[in-house]
Amino acid sequence: KAGVTQTPRYLIKTRGQQVTLSCSPISGHRSVSWYQQTPGQGLQFLFEYFSETQRNKGNFPGRFSGRQFSNSRSEMNVSTLELGDSALYLCASADGMNTEAFFGQGTRLTVV
Amino acid sequence: AQKITQTQPGMFVQEKEAVTLDCTYDTSDPSYGLFWYKQPSSGEMIFLIYQGSYDQQNATEGRYSLNFQKARKSANLVISASQLGDSAMYFCAMSPVGFGNEKLTFGTGTRLTIIP
Repeated sequence: KAGVTQTPRYLIKTRGQQVTLSCSPISGHRSVSWYQQTPGQGLQFLFEYFSETQRNKGNFPGRFSGRQFSNSRSEMNVSTLELGDSALYLCASADGMNTEAFFGQGTRLTVV
Repeated sequence: AQKITQTQPGMFVQEKEAVTLDCTYDTSDPSYGLFWYKQPSSGEMIFLIYQGSYDQQNATEGRYSLNFQKARKSANLVISASQLGDSAMYFCAMSPVGFGNEKLTFGTGTRLTIIP
């Protein structure tokens, strides 16, 4: 079966712009989480969605938001981009019953 | 709050040797899960192994085993018979519930390099 698909793979944006990243989980998975990975802060949890509801949220400013659709696909949005938002954004999906979380290849965002 | 500590920023290991990657954790949650992930240069996080806090036996998955010592709050990953393809970043992580990706807390990682 297909894995977790994140689009786009690479993005370059200018400070002040906004960006939307997409994640398609594995078929049948209802839980989607987002993580930010930077050299300075490492891997940090952003938020988790399950059946279109945000269940958990990390310590990120309100500029970071997300949503999940009825088909479990998820999007995250970052508004008013800052240079420090440059990172690899990883999405993970799980079925909520097993212990594995499957990650996508990530979207590498560069803010200039 | 949960915290994961990985004290080995980098390791060099001869091919075919066994390697142990250290991980200690801290949490006040009564039930938790511990995970190890591998991240090659491509960026994708690959799940390796899981240990539940109430599991009596250490988890094993092929060449990977998790040396779980609850009293010491350690969850070391052991890779037997290392291969060149094992060269990657390795992350230890934990979650409060243990059902996958619910709010994973990651360590800083260990970069493993396998030498031919």
